[in-house]
Amino acid sequence: KNEVEQSPQNLTAQEGEFITINCSYSVGISALHWLQQHPGGGIVSLFMLSSGKKKHGRLIATINIQEKHSSLHITASHPRDSAVYICAGCYNTDKLIFGTGTRLQVFP
Amino acid sequence: NAGVTQTPKFQVLKTGQSMTLQCAQDMNHEYMSWYRQDPGMGLRLIHYSVGAGITDQGEVPNGYNVSRSTTEDFPLRLLSAAPSQTSVYFCASSYGTGPKETQYFGPGTRLLVL
Repeated sequence: KNEVEQSPQNLTAQEGEFITINCSYSVGISALHWLQQHPGGGIVSLFMLSSGKKKHGRLIATINIQEKHSSLHITASHPRDSAVYICAGCYNTDKLIFGTGTRLQVFP
Repeated sequence: NAGVTQTPKFQVLKTGQSMTLQCAQDMNHEYMSWYRQDPGMGLRLIHYSVGAGITDQGEVPNGYNVSRSTTEDFPLRLLSAAPSQTSVYFCASSYGTGPKETQYFGPGTRLLVL
């Protein structure tokens, strides 16, 4: 069992839909990252969370440390949001363990 | 700032050859790390460094070597390439001595071992 699991693995949406991607982890972490990887490979950091909620534009990330769960929400989705979204937990203060990613496709 | 740079972008090796993947950052970050990304698997940590002169092993270190002689550079050496090392390799850096801060990734190196 992976220490960091994401769901769903694949997600298809129509433009304008509200999207939720989930991340759960089996052991305690000090922080959780959400990353975005576009086709072509570049990886960009979206959020780093240790508690509560963060918002940037149409993206919202939440984390519940006690329940070992985080969510990434995209409001008013757009085709340019099509990418792989990856969560990663920070363990033992010096390592990241990554989920396998959620592939999102948004159609016009 | 150039951010995190990686060279080469693409490399083909024969089994048994050695090579060095270069990674450099100009943000004065203490923490640097190397990951490999394989289909169907999450990014996996190969080696990491919390500052110049300090390196440690990650999840999949076998067959790889690193050094950190300066804050800016963190090269990854493949000692004797094997087909199982065919992968995409990413270097990342961040402030502080751990990965709790925002991660900055390089563009990746695609490696094919024949």
